[in-house]
Amino acid sequence: GAVVSQHPSWVICKSGTSVKIECRSLDFQATTMFWYRQFPKQSLMLMATSNEGSKATYEQGVEKDKFLINHASLTLSTLTVTSAHPEDSSFYICSARDPGGRGTEAFFGQGTRLTVV
Amino acid sequence: GQQVMQIPQYQHVQEGEDFTTYCNSSTTLSNIQWYKQRPGGHPVFLIQLVKSGEVKKQKRLTFQFGEAKKNSSLHITATQTTDVGTYFCAGLETSGSRLTFGEGTQLTVNP
Repeated sequence: GAVVSQHPSWVICKSGTSVKIECRSLDFQATTMFWYRQFPKQSLMLMATSNEGSKATYEQGVEKDKFLINHASLTLSTLTVTSAHPEDSSFYICSARDPGGRGTEAFFGQGTRLTVV
Repeated sequence: GQQVMQIPQYQHVQEGEDFTTYCNSSTTLSNIQWYKQRPGGHPVFLIQLVKSGEVKKQKRLTFQFGEAKKNSSLHITATQTTDVGTYFCAGLETSGSRLTFGEGTQLTVNP
């Protein structure tokens, strides 16, 4: 299957700082990538859909000024958590679908565990 | 908006027992997908069902898609400790864009 790489795997940052998370499709071009947030023992909540070359589409209740998404190329999307606070601590996962593949399944990155102290 | 409900939330079984998780969508789906997430890991794609009434098998795992394309189930026969993890269903809207995940069923297997 297609490979999606996410970096970093974990990060600890101080309250008030910003953190950038990268999501790369390694062996395919992804015009669309998806960013999820997952709290412990809960499901994946879609935060936003990242579109290459255009603005991201945010889900209701997600602050676009706090969670900045940039999809500057067909293989890279970034999520920046700005002015992070402890309540932003969570597991962030990106995914992408391979438009050249046979199915519509999502391929997930390894996830980033963010801890804000 | 579309909602995907999944039950049970937790299931504890003895090794060798069977396990089933059920998924129900509020709207008709284009397809349903199943993922497995091991503790500390990320979701990994298992299978996709597209046709009404479709049944697919992967060794001890049996996946079904309802006739109305709104519900699905995953059945594991004779569970093993390697089956431990959280199983998520995810429904793809008929528009083909949004993939909505169920709440997941966390399976623990006692040896």
